[in-house]
Amino acid sequence: AQSVTQPDIHITVSEGASLELRCNYSYGATPYLFWYVQSPGQGLQLLLKYFSGDTLVQGIKGFEAEFKRSQSSFNLRKPSVHWSDAAEYFCAVGEGGNQFYFGTGTSLTVIP
Amino acid sequence: KAGVTQTPRYLIKTRGQQVTLSCSPISGHRSVSWYQQTPGQGLQFLFEYFSETQRNKGNFPGRFSGRQFSNSRSEMNVSTLELGDSALYLCASSFKDGNTIYFGEGSWLTVV
Repeated sequence: AQSVTQPDIHITVSEGASLELRCNYSYGATPYLFWYVQSPGQGLQLLLKYFSGDTLVQGIKGFEAEFKRSQSSFNLRKPSVHWSDAAEYFCAVGEGGNQFYFGTGTSLTVIP
Repeated sequence: KAGVTQTPRYLIKTRGQQVTLSCSPISGHRSVSWYQQTPGQGLQFLFEYFSETQRNKGNFPGRFSGRQFSNSRSEMNVSTLELGDSALYLCASSFKDGNTIYFGEGSWLTVV
């Protein structure tokens, strides 16, 4: 069965510092991979997605993610974090239909 | 283009009651899926509808049901509410299979 692991429950970074959120997945074929962000009391907003092709994908708000098949990973990165990036981040894998599997999320705190 | 719209946004119900939540997908999207989000279990897939047919169902009891109408709008129903049903219920829509799903802001259900 498909699964997604986000090993870091909570991360704290200083504003302006770089950020990397980890995501590992378990899936037999090449999955569709996504990162979503959720602000308190809100729904999930798509940051970026990987379907195929270039393994480094660019998203909104300056985020990028790299698909590494050998490591079954899809880590999210940002070179310089802004205070407004504080939120919950979810990694998800889809299998071609519209049933998605989500990680448990990583809560990001940004220190001024 | 309007996003995914969910109503009501907040509601409080008593144990044993039933509740119906509504979701209007993005115009042109024919797939609607539902997720339950709780602090302990994270995001869990409930079911997915496409062209009025349920295609996938998650591991939830029969108290959870849904339907989709010819205009792609969807409803989910939870009967005989339990305290553990308190959660954020998220609806997502997609244009086609394997594509990105877009979330609404959710319906917050509190069962007392």
